[in-house]
Amino acid sequence: ETGVTQSPTHLIKTRGQQVTLRCSSQSGHNTVSWYQQALGQGPQFIFQYYREEENGRGNFPPRFSGLQFPNYSSELNVNALELDDSALYLCASRHRLAGEGDTQYFGPGTRLTVL
Amino acid sequence: DQQVKQNSPSLSVQEGRISILNCDYTNSMFDYFLWYKKYPAEGPTFLISISSIKDKNEDGRFTVFLNKSAKHLSLHIVPSQPGDSAVYFCAARSAGNMLTFGGGTRLMVKP
Repeated sequence: ETGVTQSPTHLIKTRGQQVTLRCSSQSGHNTVSWYQQALGQGPQFIFQYYREEENGRGNFPPRFSGLQFPNYSSELNVNALELDDSALYLCASRHRLAGEGDTQYFGPGTRLTVL
Repeated sequence: DQQVKQNSPSLSVQEGRISILNCDYTNSMFDYFLWYKKYPAEGPTFLISISSIKDKNEDGRFTVFLNKSAKHLSLHIVPSQPGDSAVYFCAARSAGNMLTFGGGTRLMVKP
């Protein structure tokens, strides 16, 4: 168990709605990343937050946004949901250090279904 | 444009034998490569990593090999155990610690 938790576990929304997913990072971790994993594919990087600011973004439109809070918990918000947004959403936390191989620890994910 | 590819969607191996999972990449700027294991209803779990300046890293039954000239890495599991049955993802790290994942290989270890 990594100590990274996500809520809710499952969620069903309809097209056009907005959704907020939550992540609680492992204790002591100051960096959080969000990934989208579509069925049968590997996770795709959405964005990363460090010290409450976005400091890296993948190829996702602006309707995907996030927040990181002082206690290092975070949210992923998706506006104007589309059918293709149906996926497993994973958050991963790590402690940002200089040096090699600082590992990201993943939560169990939130399964979002858009109807 | 898939920068990290796992060309085998599945692999079946007998218990006690070697499992070899392969991964190819195209971006020379990746500085670290990682392998994650994923069970159903769980997030990916870190297994082993290798720096781009090395060609081998070993941790118990798991060894990762990196061939930079071929832009190829592989994960060897010896001996394979039924509990190793899972989906394995290779991932490559670029600037800002962004991970690019392959599509995964489902490993089945038969008793």
